Amino acid sequence: AQSVTQLGSHVSVSEGALVLLRCNYSSSVPPYLFWYVQYPNQGLQLLLKYTSAATLVKGINGFEAEFKKSETSFHLTKPSAHMSDAAEYFCAVSGDQGAQKLVFGQGTRLTINP
Amino acid sequence: DSGVTQTPKHLITATGQRVTLRCSPRSGDLSVYWYQQSLDQGLQFLIQYYNGEERAKGNILERFSAQQFPDLHSELNLSSLELGDSALYFCASSVVALRTGELFFGEGSRLTVL
Repeated sequence: AQSVTQLGSHVSVSEGALVLLRCNYSSSVPPYLFWYVQYPNQGLQLLLKYTSAATLVKGINGFEAEFKKSETSFHLTKPSAHMSDAAEYFCAVSGDQGAQKLVFGQGTRLTINP
Repeated sequence: DSGVTQTPKHLITATGQRVTLRCSPRSGDLSVYWYQQSLDQGLQFLIQYYNGEERAKGNILERFSAQQFPDLHSELNLSSLELGDSALYFCASSVVALRTGELFFGEGSRLTVL
């Protein structure tokens, strides 16, 4: 079965600082991994995804993530945080039932300090 | 705007009652997913439909049911409501049901059970 663990339910960084959101996964099949962002009072929006091509994946809004099989990790980073990055971020792994259900982590709330 | 429409946006009801949540997927998307988001459980996959047929089932209670109609819209029926059913219910859609694909989420229906 698939599962995702996000380390840290809350992360706070200063504007302009590095953003690092951690995600570790468990999967019985080659994983497909996703990061979604949820802004207040909105639905989830895809930031980026890993589907077994390049291990370093670039997404929208300057975010990127690196797939590391040896560490079973898919951490999300952004070199310089903006105030507009404040949101909740979810890591997800695709299910193994031949369907596309996503198994989400518990989410990390990112706060940006001015 | 993801193109996925959910109604109603907010719903307040009493324990023991029944409600129906409606979802219109993006134009052309054949697959519809329902997720429940609560503070204690996070984002939980409920059920998936593909072109009118149930494709995958998650942690959906027996009191809950769903269906996808020929025009591809979907409804999630919640009955004998309990306080613990208070949550944000998301619908998502995708073109096909592939593990590598992106889900497009609606803005959710917030259910409050009093």
